[in-house]
Amino acid sequence: SQKIEQNSEALNIQEGKTATLTCNYTNYSPAYLQWYRQDPGRGPVFLLLIRENEKEKRKERLKVTFDTTLKQSLFHITASQPADSATYLCALDSTGGGNKLTFGTGTQLKVEL
Amino acid sequence: DVKVTQSSRYLVKRTGEKVFLECVQDMDHENMFWYRQDPGLGLRLIYFSYDVKMKEKGDIPEGYSVSREKKERFSLILESASTNQTSMYLCASSSPGGGPQETQYFGPGTRLLVL
Repeated sequence: SQKIEQNSEALNIQEGKTATLTCNYTNYSPAYLQWYRQDPGRGPVFLLLIRENEKEKRKERLKVTFDTTLKQSLFHITASQPADSATYLCALDSTGGGNKLTFGTGTQLKVEL
Repeated sequence: DVKVTQSSRYLVKRTGEKVFLECVQDMDHENMFWYRQDPGLGLRLIYFSYDVKMKEKGDIPEGYSVSREKKERFSLILESASTNQTSMYLCASSSPGGGPQETQYFGPGTRLLVL
């Protein structure tokens, strides 16, 4: 079955640095991969989608890469700010399609002053 | 802006009670989903629906049922609540097809405590 791995340990970085989060997957070749942000006690919010034929996608300070050979996506936040502190989830389209997603457990990011 | 609302933010119920969690979306989305989220386990799909009166089981449907009588409303039912159903419940909606329509829009969540 599909398996998605995100680093369960929190990532602590200093303000202004680039945060890099990793999403690895096995037993599947997704058509696309998405990243979501989740704040405590709230629902996830969509950030970026990258398709299997795209290597990189950018949106403001966010950048996502997708390496289908390594079965890995990297999520970068440049010039990080304390307001970027949250849990970041990656999600793959599930087998069987239909817009179902399989989510990773998320990585908590803490940006310190 | 897409808006997904859930009937309650916090809910406390007794073991054996029948529990209804309601979700409403205002973007005319065909797809609706119910997840539960637990520490260390992430988001797990309980049920989903592609159309009115249509439902399909997700990964953990046991102990749950759903109802979709209208396009905008998707209800999750705990037939007889148990303590292991204490969790954060999240509803989401999406529209089929290409482009950004694959993204899911989530409600604020309902934190359910079963005593």
